[in-house]
Amino acid sequence: EVQLVQSGTEVKEPGESLKISCQGSGYNFPSYGIAWVRQMPGKGLEWMAIIYPRNSDIRYSPSFQGQVTVSADRSISTAYLQWSRLRASDTAMYYCARRDGDYFFDFWGQGTLVTVSS
Amino acid sequence: EIVLTQSPATLSLSAGERATLSCRASQSIGVLLAWYQQKPGQSPRLLIYDASIRATGIPARFSGSGSGTDFTLTISSLEPEDFAVYYCQQRSKWPLTFGGGTKVEIK
Repeated sequence: EVQLVQSGTEVKEPGESLKISCQGSGYNFPSYGIAWVRQMPGKGLEWMAIIYPRNSDIRYSPSFQGQVTVSADRSISTAYLQWSRLRASDTAMYYCARRDGDYFFDFWGQGTLVTVSS
Repeated sequence: EIVLTQSPATLSLSAGERATLSCRASQSIGVLLAWYQQKPGQSPRLLIYDASIRATGIPARFSGSGSGTDFTLTISSLEPEDFAVYYCQQRSKWPLTFGGGTKVEIK
């Protein structure tokens, strides 16, 4: 059974750093991309970035380029999304999702809620 | 960037009725469009990909159509579990983009 399990809820202050994770299981992790999708409170879905663990190819949405960094550790089938300096506007639910080549997002993680507040 | 415009924003229907949701792309994307369903407190779920192909396990009451710039998701007869928000998404060009969503609510 394919599963993407994300790390837990985070509460941070503005200016802090953060790294959240997404661990895949039940499939060959390097063979699929892992995308990150933001959902701000009460809003829609926004694609942020994607990493292909097989060759470490990374694409960012222009809206998020320079704001976040994605990475992956194939040895533990885990992808990461990180911020160096959080802002209150980063408060959102963050989902990871699997992508088969250049197809669509067929499996999703349960989401990680990030709250940034002083 | 390809902009996807979904309409209506909200659709108020009763169980058993037919739902027709629209997604319009700002430029031609062929059939490279997917539909997702998101229920409150849950992650999105892939329903339809490449405009008209049902994902694994998706009931036949869900169907997709369209090509180029105009796409439609149809739910032939709404079941109670279908009341949710629906998003379209394109994979034709980077950056990947989603529509703003259509909420299907109980009338």
